[in-house]
Amino acid sequence: GAGVSQTPSNKVTEKGKYVELRCDPISGHTALYWYRQSLGQGPEFLIYFQGTGAADDSGLPNDRFFAVRPEGSVSTLKIQRTERGDSAVYLCASSLNPNQPQHFGDGTRLSIL
Amino acid sequence: ELKVEQNPLFLSMQEGKNYTIYCNYSTTSDRLYWYRQDPGKSLESLFVLLSNGAVKQEGRLMASLDTKARLSTLHITAAVHDLSATYFCAVVYGSGNTGKLIFGQGTTLQVKP
Repeated sequence: GAGVSQTPSNKVTEKGKYVELRCDPISGHTALYWYRQSLGQGPEFLIYFQGTGAADDSGLPNDRFFAVRPEGSVSTLKIQRTERGDSAVYLCASSLNPNQPQHFGDGTRLSIL
Repeated sequence: ELKVEQNPLFLSMQEGKNYTIYCNYSTTSDRLYWYRQDPGKSLESLFVLLSNGAVKQEGRLMASLDTKARLSTLHITAAVHDLSATYFCAVVYGSGNTGKLIFGQGTTLQVKP
């Protein structure tokens, strides 16, 4: 069956550029999460959507990071003026509701040169 | 703020041996998850533990939860090479029923033939 799909799988860009990372959740999952995983670390929470709205964005590190989910399905994580410290694997997860286990995508590996 | 600590962070063991991974967390939570991650891959949900004394088993893995001690264990019985992976515990955190997960650092398990 279709799982959580993330594109691109890899993204290499220069410092200062703008990037968009896409997440296509499992059909029917209303809850969607973004996490960031640095090498050798556990994932760190960034933002949670319930439907179209960002219900908790407390993990976004600064105002260069922004995420949307305009129709309550696909979500896009946007990073402006990228910095080398933004290099990480960005993971998306979805669940039927916040009380159910989260299903993770394969992630986007972002490298800022 | 919730902190989740795992130990050991790295574990090398022989096939056929038993071992336990520990996960401590610092504040009350109503749900704890164990995930498995293979190199370059996404996270796979193994167990969800909801209540004090909960025990779940799947194959050679058994997870338990002691909410009073804020401790979960993942016990490996008669390890086989296929169990080599990184294991994360994750605790649901915060009010508002967001399902936000705080992850431990991960325990990398290497099972040698």
